[in-house]
Amino acid sequence: QKEVEQDPGPLSVPEGAIVSLNCTYSNSAFQYFMWYRQYSRKGPELLMYTYSSGNKEDGRFTAQVDKSSKYISLFIRDSQPSDSATYLCAMRGGNYGGSQGNLIFGKGTKLSVKP
Amino acid sequence: EAQVTQNPRYLITVTGKKLTVTCSQNMNHEYMSWYRQDPGLGLRQIYYSMNVEVTDKGDVPEGYKVSRKEKRNFPLILESPSPNQTSLYFCASSSTISAEKLFFGSGTQLSVL
Repeated sequence: QKEVEQDPGPLSVPEGAIVSLNCTYSNSAFQYFMWYRQYSRKGPELLMYTYSSGNKEDGRFTAQVDKSSKYISLFIRDSQPSDSATYLCAMRGGNYGGSQGNLIFGKGTKLSVKP
Repeated sequence: EAQVTQNPRYLITVTGKKLTVTCSQNMNHEYMSWYRQDPGLGLRQIYYSMNVEVTDKGDVPEGYKVSRKEKRNFPLILESPSPNQTSLYFCASSSTISAEKLFFGSGTQLSVL
């Protein structure tokens, strides 16, 4: 079983839809959970990050972490064509140093929001 | 402007011809890393560096070398490139205080013929 699993999609939704993106993981030592957004032919950019369990909201974006289920989600409300991108989840353990500090990425979900 | 700069942006080469992809960051970050991104495989870490003169292997280090002689620079060296190293390469950096926020370069698309 891979450490981080993410449905690659592609996912196509109409403008204004609520989008749900998800990742599951197997390593219970993960404590930091991130979502990166990658536009075509660009490097990934950090969208949101959460420490441990709980929710975090930033505008139209909400990140959720359920450590008991080893499951994280990103919700996008009122999706826009400009949200069309690949979304990568990432996570790491609590200790920074050596390999524990490295981010482990999901494979990414390609999202297309149609006008 | 805070940024990670990779060069070249595109590179076509032939099997066995040594090449170097440069990476430089202007944020005084301690941590730097190289990834390759392939369809269906996602981002895979090649090498990383926790600070000057400190480097370590990632998940797919075979066929690659790195060095970290200065804090700002982290070049990726392919001594004898092969076609299976055709990929999109990203350099990234972060501070130890905000390790969650990786700053990525714009990428280098490498084709090995």
